[in-house]
Amino acid sequence: EAGVTQFPSHSVIEKGQTVTLRCDPISGHDNLYWYRRVMGKEIKFLLHFVKESKQDESGMPNNRFLAERTGGTYSTLKVQPAELEDSGVYFCASSQVHRSNYGYTFGSGTRLTVV
Amino acid sequence: GQQVMQIPQYQHVQEGEDFTTYCNSSTTLSNIQWYKQRPGGHPVFLIQLVKSGEVKKQKRLTFQFGEAKKNSSLHITATQTTDVGTYFCAGYSGGGADGLTFGKGTHLIIQP
Repeated sequence: EAGVTQFPSHSVIEKGQTVTLRCDPISGHDNLYWYRRVMGKEIKFLLHFVKESKQDESGMPNNRFLAERTGGTYSTLKVQPAELEDSGVYFCASSQVHRSNYGYTFGSGTRLTVV
Repeated sequence: GQQVMQIPQYQHVQEGEDFTTYCNSSTTLSNIQWYKQRPGGHPVFLIQLVKSGEVKKQKRLTFQFGEAKKNSSLHITATQTTDVGTYFCAGYSGGGADGLTFGKGTHLIIQP
């Protein structure tokens, strides 16, 4: 079974530019989550999709961040315009059921550097 | 909001020594999960604890959930070089956001 795939693995962009991160969850996993880890801080929840619906986006930092999951398969997270404080590692995770007893499967993450 | 404190931030041990990391939550947790992240890798799920006072073992790893469901620990007996990485605890509160609240993690460094 293929794991959670994230693309790109690294991205370096200038402040003010736009970046789009992609996540392909494990096939059949209706629940998809975005998290991010800013340098020196803990991994923080951003939002949760169930299929194509946003279930909880309480962790999204501001309206420069837009997540979509059209068709309920892969998801994108767009940052526009990027700011320096957006630098960090963005993780996607998926699970068959929400709050699964078997935890989440995380992707390898996208390391975003805004310069 | 809910906070999960994890200590120590770094732990250096000689190979063969034991290692323990501790988590404390500001609120009662419905459950707690532990993840391991190898250097350059991503978090990998280890275990979930749900019941008050629960203890679970995985080979040399022992996980505990406190009676009040506000703290947890991970103990590794006789560390090996393959244990190197960052260990994270993460939990859900009873209500609140859908996502896990993570501790900052404990970096385990092993000297052969």
